[in-house]
Amino acid sequence: DIQMTQSPSSLSASVGDRVTITCRASQSISSYLNWYQQKPGKAPKLLIYTASSLQSGVPSRFSASGSGTDFTLTISSLQPEDLATYYCQQSYSIPWTFGQGTKVEIK
Amino acid sequence: EVQLLESGGGLVQPGGSLRLSCAASGFTFSSYAMSWVRQAPGEGLVWVSVISGSGGSTFYPDSEKGRFTISRDNSKNTLYLQMNSLRAEDTAVYYCAKERSSRDIAAAGTVDYWGQGTLVTVSS
Repeated sequence: DIQMTQSPSSLSASVGDRVTITCRASQSISSYLNWYQQKPGKAPKLLIYTASSLQSGVPSRFSASGSGTDFTLTISSLQPEDLATYYCQQSYSIPWTFGQGTKVEIK
Repeated sequence: EVQLLESGGGLVQPGGSLRLSCAASGFTFSSYAMSWVRQAPGEGLVWVSVISGSGGSTFYPDSEKGRFTISRDNSKNTLYLQMNSLRAEDTAVYYCAKERSSRDIAAAGTVDYWGQGTLVTVSS
């Protein structure tokens, strides 16, 4: 199985800050990488698919990049509603696997 | 509007069985692969099973093979998960999940809609 490792596990940032989360795959997954946002008590929500494509309706402050084994999710200007846990997930091979999550808190 | 409504969760004893259902609406159900994803309390997301749009292909992680069975009834727009030989570590919220763009498992793996989840608690 492909292991997905996110860093950091948690972070605290101020409104307006630029926030970056990284995700590393245990082997190359090309661009088969998705990012999800999960707010407390809610179901996950798709933010980014195939490494860098913004899902419809997602604010443009979210962006992502990467290929192969290393990927990043960036929030250009953190907003209070971005309080959530963010997960990366590979869709390169079954079983599809998720990172352990990065909890984003607002200072 | 896409809606996924899970049901069937609850408290079950170790070794018991449970069948989850997911009623789908707002899209052509048979055109998309569907998955179940679970999340133990305070933990991350774990993919449990996937089924093709036709229902002819399924996959499970090794940990669920032989215990869980995913199925679908395209005439009723409903997805199912039959869970047998349940263990305490199966305790989790189970999410029904719609594939973003494919009915085939080989091209699937991206969830664009999730249900609200149904809680399964395995305890004596």
